[in-house]
Amino acid sequence: EVHLLESGGGLIQPGGSLRLSCAASGFSFRTFAMTWVRQAPGKGLDWVSVISDSGERKYYADSVKGRFTISRDNSRNTLYLQMNSLRAEDTAIYYCGKGVGGTYDSPNDYWGQGTLLTVSS
Amino acid sequence: DIVMTQSPDSLAVSLGERATINCKSSQSVLYSSNNNFYLAWYQQKPGQPPKLLFYWASTRESGVPDRFSGSGSGTDFTLTISSLQAEDVAVYYCQQYYTIPFTFGPGTKVDIK
Repeated sequence: EVHLLESGGGLIQPGGSLRLSCAASGFSFRTFAMTWVRQAPGKGLDWVSVISDSGERKYYADSVKGRFTISRDNSRNTLYLQMNSLRAEDTAIYYCGKGVGGTYDSPNDYWGQGTLLTVSS
Repeated sequence: DIVMTQSPDSLAVSLGERATINCKSSQSVLYSSNNNFYLAWYQQKPGQPPKLLFYWASTRESGVPDRFSGSGSGTDFTLTISSLQAEDVAVYYCQQYYTIPFTFGPGTKVDIK
């Protein structure tokens, strides 16, 4: 059974840094692209970043480019999102998603339950 | 960026009746080399993560009831629930995965009338 478990969220001050993790199990992690999507309270889904199966290809939304870095450790079956220079508008539930395929241009067939990030002073 | 729009914003349908949700992309999401539309539909219930319903616009994800169907061409796509059930109350999102950033539509909320 596919399982994704996000962690690392919490309350952080504007300008701060945080790293989210997504622990994967139940599938061959190294053969699938992975995605981060966020959802601000009461709002819709907002695509953040995607990484290919090997980690060679990484892409970002303009709103996070230069501040967030996606990475993966295929030996640990874990996806990461390093978030720097955090802003109030980054406040959201962050979900990790498993790609249907290994390439970055892939929808997501499994999602974690999400981790809440609150950026506030 | 490709802008995804959805209509209506919300709809209320009687149990057993049809619900139709429309999604429009601001430019084509058809990849000519494989003739696939890079369009997905997700269902999100309160307090839950999204659930994939369809990809390639009309390929049903495993386990999705056949009362759900996805269709479309060009830049216009439709998600249809042929006979609404109580468990279908949710927000439905379309998403294009053709061009970075992979944008979502704003969502359509489906309720029981």
